[in-house]
Amino acid sequence: EVQLVESGGGLVQPGGSLRLSCAASGFTFSSYAMSWVRQAPGKGLEWVSAIRGGGSSTYNADSVKGRFTVSRDDSKNTLYLQMSSLRVEDTAVYYCAKSVTVSTTNFDHWGQGTLVTVSS
Amino acid sequence: EIVMTQSPGTLSVSLGERATLSCRASQSVSSNLAWYQQKPGQAPRLLIYGASTRATGIPARFSGSGSGTEFTLTISSLQSEDFAVYCCQQYNNWPRTFGQGTKVEIK
Repeated sequence: EVQLVESGGGLVQPGGSLRLSCAASGFTFSSYAMSWVRQAPGKGLEWVSAIRGGGSSTYNADSVKGRFTVSRDDSKNTLYLQMSSLRVEDTAVYYCAKSVTVSTTNFDHWGQGTLVTVSS
Repeated sequence: EIVMTQSPGTLSVSLGERATLSCRASQSVSSNLAWYQQKPGQAPRLLIYGASTRATGIPARFSGSGSGTEFTLTISSLQSEDFAVYCCQQYNNWPRTFGQGTKVEIK
């Protein structure tokens, strides 16, 4: 059974940093692209970042470019999102999501989400 | 960035009725379109990918169609568990983008 478990969310002041983790199990983690998708309170879904299997390529939404870095440790089956220069508008539930196939970025499994609150 | 526009914003439907949801892309995404269902407090659930392929375990009452810029999700006979928010997502171009969602509510 595929499982994705996020951690690392919490309350942080504007300008601060936070690192999210997503522990994966139940599939060959190294083969699949993984993404972070967020949802601000009462709003729709926003794709944030993606990383190819093996970490060969990364992609980021314009809203987080230069501030967020996605990475993975395939030996630990773990996905990360390093967030810096956080803004109030980054407040959201952050989900990690597994791609349906090794070469796509549509998502057949999602974690339960971790809440990031940016506030002074 | 490809903008995904869903209509209507809210759809009021009775149990057993058919629901038709639309998703339009600002430029062609070929068939690289997925549909998700989301209920309050839950993570999204993949319904359809490749515009028309049902994901594992999704009931046959859910169907998707379209290609290019116009897509449709049809729920043939609404069940009580189908009242939720539905959103589309393109995965043809970077950045990946979602529609704003259509809420399906009980009439």
